[in-house]
Amino acid sequence: DIQMTQSPSSLSASVGDRVTITCRASQGISNYLAWYQQKPGKVPKLLIYAASILQSGVPSRFSGSGSGTDFTLTITSLQPEDVATYYCQKYSSAPLTFGGGTRVEIK
Amino acid sequence: EVQLVESGGGLVQPGVSLRLSCAASGFTFSSYAMNWVRQAPGKGLEWVSGISGSGGSTHYADSVKGRFTISRDNSEHTLFLQMNSLRAEDTAVYYCAKARASGSYYNAFDPWGQGTLVTVSS
Repeated sequence: DIQMTQSPSSLSASVGDRVTITCRASQGISNYLAWYQQKPGKVPKLLIYAASILQSGVPSRFSGSGSGTDFTLTITSLQPEDVATYYCQKYSSAPLTFGGGTRVEIK
Repeated sequence: EVQLVESGGGLVQPGVSLRLSCAASGFTFSSYAMNWVRQAPGKGLEWVSGISGSGGSTHYADSVKGRFTISRDNSEHTLFLQMNSLRAEDTAVYYCAKARASGSYYNAFDPWGQGTLVTVSS
């Protein structure tokens, strides 16, 4: 099975900072990669699919890139409401594995 | 508006069975693959199982294969997860999630239900 590895597992940044989260697949998955945001106590929400397509309603400060095995989620200007855990997920084949998550906090 | 409402969770002893349901509304249910994802307390997301729109294709995580069965009733717009031989490590919030787009099973998940808590403990 393909493994999904996220880094870092947690980060602390200041409001307005640029934040980058990395997700690596153990084998190539083309662009079958999604990113989700889960705020504390809330349900996960789809941010990005097909590695780089922003889901409707998601602020433009979020962006995704990558293909094959290496992917990134970028928040160009971190806002207080972005405090959450972010997960990548591959959906190229079953199992539809999630990464371990990255907790983002405000410094 | 798409709505997914899970039910059926609760506190059960190890070894027993439980059946979760997810009532769907606001979309053409039979056109979309559906999935179950769980989250143990304080832990990350774990995909559990998925089923195609027709119900003809199913997939399972190795951790539940042979114990859990996913199914759907398209006439009732309901997704199910039959969980047998429950273990302490199955304790989690169980979410149902709709495929983002119709057609292919291999899709991102959007939206997710609110989840139902399953606690396996003696």
